[in-house]
Amino acid sequence: GAVVSQHPSRVICKSGTSVKIECRSLDFQATTMFWYRQFPKQSLMLMATSNEGSKATYEQGVEKDKFLINHASLTLSTLTVTSAHPEDSSFYICSARGDLAGTGSRQETQYFGPGTRLLVL
Amino acid sequence: AQTVTQSQPEMSVQEAETVTLSCTYDTSESDYYLFWYKQPPSRQMILVIRQEAYKQQNATENRFSVNFQKAAKSFSLKISDSQLGDAAMYFCAYLVGFGNEKLTFGTGTRLTIIP
Repeated sequence: GAVVSQHPSRVICKSGTSVKIECRSLDFQATTMFWYRQFPKQSLMLMATSNEGSKATYEQGVEKDKFLINHASLTLSTLTVTSAHPEDSSFYICSARGDLAGTGSRQETQYFGPGTRLLVL
Repeated sequence: AQTVTQSQPEMSVQEAETVTLSCTYDTSESDYYLFWYKQPPSRQMILVIRQEAYKQQNATENRFSVNFQKAAKSFSLKISDSQLGDAAMYFCAYLVGFGNEKLTFGTGTRLTIIP
């Protein structure tokens, strides 16, 4: 259990275009999803937290108009990088947390997707 | 603010031997969670082990165990019978469960397994 998928795994795009990354919880309902960015040889940097049906909460310094997050269902969150530029090239990882056993109790553990490598030319 | 410190940027261990990765954290909370995540070259973050702060008993998962010292704010990971597949970046993480849902990560320890 607790599988999180991410699509695409790798994307190359031209500067100025928009890219959408999907994050899905496959076998549980994710009440909360998180989006991280990871630079080479560094730890994960939280970008935003999203709860199903409500607006995402962005970390300080993260442009909400550039990184659009939608959490329309309990199993899907999307991150759209708008007007991407080379400095947006990075590894983006999502994680999900929810009720794994279907008991209605919140789990504290975050389960991570496999990540998306974005290269903006 | 909560901080998580991993003082060993790199560690290496002979295959089949035991290695301990250190982690300390700073918090004023009494109820929280601690995690060790592993990130192999594939970059998939994998949960290794989790510990609830209110539990005195150290968590174990097969070859992985922790030494949780709440008063000292220390949370080390012991890997027994190290295997080649254990080679990865290991991140210690802290979470306050209610009201603050963010994971705070340490800077990571790169573990190399020597055949």
